[in-house]
Amino acid sequence: AQSVTQLGSHVSVSEGALVLLRCNYSSSVPPYLFWYVQYPNQGLQLLLKYTTGATLVKGINGFEAEFKKSETSFHLTKPSAHMSDAAEYFCAVGPSGGSYIPTFGRGTSLIVHP
Amino acid sequence: DAGVTQSPTHLIKTRGQQVTLRCSPKSGHDTVSWYQQALGQGPQFIFQYYEEEERQRGNFPDRFSGHQFPNYSSELNVNALLLGDSALYLCASSLDERPRETQYFGPGTRLLVL
Repeated sequence: AQSVTQLGSHVSVSEGALVLLRCNYSSSVPPYLFWYVQYPNQGLQLLLKYTTGATLVKGINGFEAEFKKSETSFHLTKPSAHMSDAAEYFCAVGPSGGSYIPTFGRGTSLIVHP
Repeated sequence: DAGVTQSPTHLIKTRGQQVTLRCSPKSGHDTVSWYQQALGQGPQFIFQYYEEEERQRGNFPDRFSGHQFPNYSSELNVNALLLGDSALYLCASSLDERPRETQYFGPGTRLLVL
């Protein structure tokens, strides 16, 4: 069984401030972890993913995330927010072996103030 | 290179009717997955098609069925529509069925059941 918890349905930051979106997961097998972004009236776009190897993963648009097994976390960060980062962000977990049925979190809406 | 395309973009149906949604994968991709995204929720995995067969299935009733054609395009069929089936239906394609492969999402079909 697997699950994803995204802490905070809404996160508000000022332009130029640090962005931190939290994701905790549970998985009975080593997980694959993903962050997606969804702009209004669009599909999801992959920001980054962790499969194996280096636990600090760099993605597009300046985002990065760190896989912390001991904390079962995969938080998404960006040093400096831009207005264009305002969107819905989803964390997802998928098992690395066996049947692949990904589980998504409920999403966090990032609001960026000028 | 065209990305994932879906049709129609919007659809209105009444309870009890049947609906067919269509998806064309990104060029070179042979695996198609379908997701249901209710308002304010993360996507939920419906099923995945690879080599014209349903390979994985999420927790959805048999009213949800699909098909994949030799050109890798896919259809999602929903019978006996319920009000609760109102959602954004997302199609995603990938190079193959391995869980580590990146999924590319289409813009979705928004279904409203009255």
